Amino acid sequence: AQSVSQHNHHVILSEAASLELGCNYSYGGTVNLFWYVQYPGQHLQLLLKYFSGDPLVKGIKGFEAEFIKSKVSFNLRKPSVQWSDTAEYFCAVTLHNTDKLIFGTGTRLQVFP
Amino acid sequence: GAGVSQSPSNKVTEKGKDVELRCDPISGHTALYWYRQSLGQGLEFLIYFQGNSAPDKSGLPSDRFSAERTGGSVSTLTIQRTQQEDSAVYLCASSFGYGRGQYEQYFGPGTRLTVT
Repeated sequence: AQSVSQHNHHVILSEAASLELGCNYSYGGTVNLFWYVQYPGQHLQLLLKYFSGDPLVKGIKGFEAEFIKSKVSFNLRKPSVQWSDTAEYFCAVTLHNTDKLIFGTGTRLQVFP
Repeated sequence: GAGVSQSPSNKVTEKGKDVELRCDPISGHTALYWYRQSLGQGLEFLIYFQGNSAPDKSGLPSDRFSAERTGGSVSTLTIQRTQQEDSAVYLCASSFGYGRGQYEQYFGPGTRLTVT
C-alpha cells in the first residue's frame, strides 16, 4: 500500500548526541518531501522541505535531511541535539499533482539534559 | 502577522449532536486544508479548498462530515450526529498558493473535540 513510514516511534537521547530519524515512502512518481515538527503545546511547523535539486537540504534549528531516491528515504539528521529539540517529528509527502499532505505516524523525541 | 486561528479550542459534545468547527486562515492565503490528529490514526487529511471550491474531499470519513469555505476566507467543518470515534484534534492549515504540492502549509492550534 502507498504510505509514509517512520520506523522510530520513540527516541530518547542525551543532549549533544547525534540524531537520525528515518522516513521512507512508497509512492511512485514525483513526490515532494517535508519534515514537520510539533513542540509541546505548539502548532505543527515546517522544519524543511525537498522538491528537487541538491538532495541534502538544510532547515531551521540546525536540522538537515537527505533524499536518497534509490532507498526512497528522506531521513532527518542533527549532529548535536538540545533539550529544546524535544518534540514530535512528522515526515510527510505531497504527490506532484496534489496539495494534500500525507503524514507518517510521527516520532516522539525526548532529549534529556 | 496573525497566524491561522481555530475556534473553539476545545469542544465537548454528546454523542449524536452536531458540531461546527471554524478556521480563519492567514489573510491572503488562497488554499485551506483540514486534517485530523488522533491517537489511533495519526495525522489524516480530510479536505482542502482552492479558493471556495474543494477539489479533493477524499479524506472525509463519512457523509456525516462536510465543510465549506465562503468568500475565500473562513471555513467551517461540520460533523453531524457525532460518534465517539470522531474524538480527535481537528487541524486547519492554509497556504499562499496551490498546485504541484510545493506551498508551505501553516497550521493552526487545532480544535480538540471530545464526544462523550
